Amino acid sequence: QVQLQESGPGLVKPSETLSLTCAVSGGSIRSYYWSWIRQPPGRRLEWLGFIYYSGSTNYNPSLKSRVTMSVDTSKNQFSLKLTSLTSADTAIYYCARGHSSSWVAFDYWGQGTLVTVSS
Amino acid sequence: QSALTQPPSASGSPGQSVTISCTGTSSDIGAYNYVSWYQHHPGKAPKLIIYEVNKRPSGVPDRFSGSKSGNTASLTVSGLQPEDEAAYYCSSYAGSTVLFGGGTELTVL
Repeated sequence: QVQLQESGPGLVKPSETLSLTCAVSGGSIRSYYWSWIRQPPGRRLEWLGFIYYSGSTNYNPSLKSRVTMSVDTSKNQFSLKLTSLTSADTAIYYCARGHSSSWVAFDYWGQGTLVTVSS
Repeated sequence: QSALTQPPSASGSPGQSVTISCTGTSSDIGAYNYVSWYQHHPGKAPKLIIYEVNKRPSGVPDRFSGSKSGNTASLTVSGLQPEDEAAYYCSSYAGSTVLFGGGTELTVL
């Protein structure tokens, strides 16, 4: 059974950079697309972007200038960096795997990690 | 891109059927057959229950079915069971991004 686990700081200061990592277990990171998705309190889910195991990326145009994703196949994990944080970036952050049929369907998700942006 | 619109709540009694709608535009739902539905119980990871409009991942009961007409997608849950009480989210590919609906809280009365 594939499992995903997000890790990173729960509290980050405004203007700083958020760094999150998603560890994948029970399966290989190879041959799949891996996405980051977030949900601000009381708001809808928002797709941030994906990274393919080869390293190619596709980011949400609304966040493109602030998002960077990377992958480490040797550790079976991938990461998210989000810069210039504001309170609007406070959210539960999920990592998810794209379905083998189409990357736009997410068949495995992490439990999510709450990130609060506050001084 | 505009977001997808879902009713905030839906309900039904055990054994009944309920349908949840997800309305988009000709640039997302209407343009692509890449509509997905997720079930989300509080504190747990969201679960994919429908992908590519009407396909079920292995292990998902056939009580869950999906369809699409024009710019609106629908999720039908037949034979409601208590464990179906959860939030349901739709999503659609929109050319350069993935859009989500606001979620529908399904109550099993």
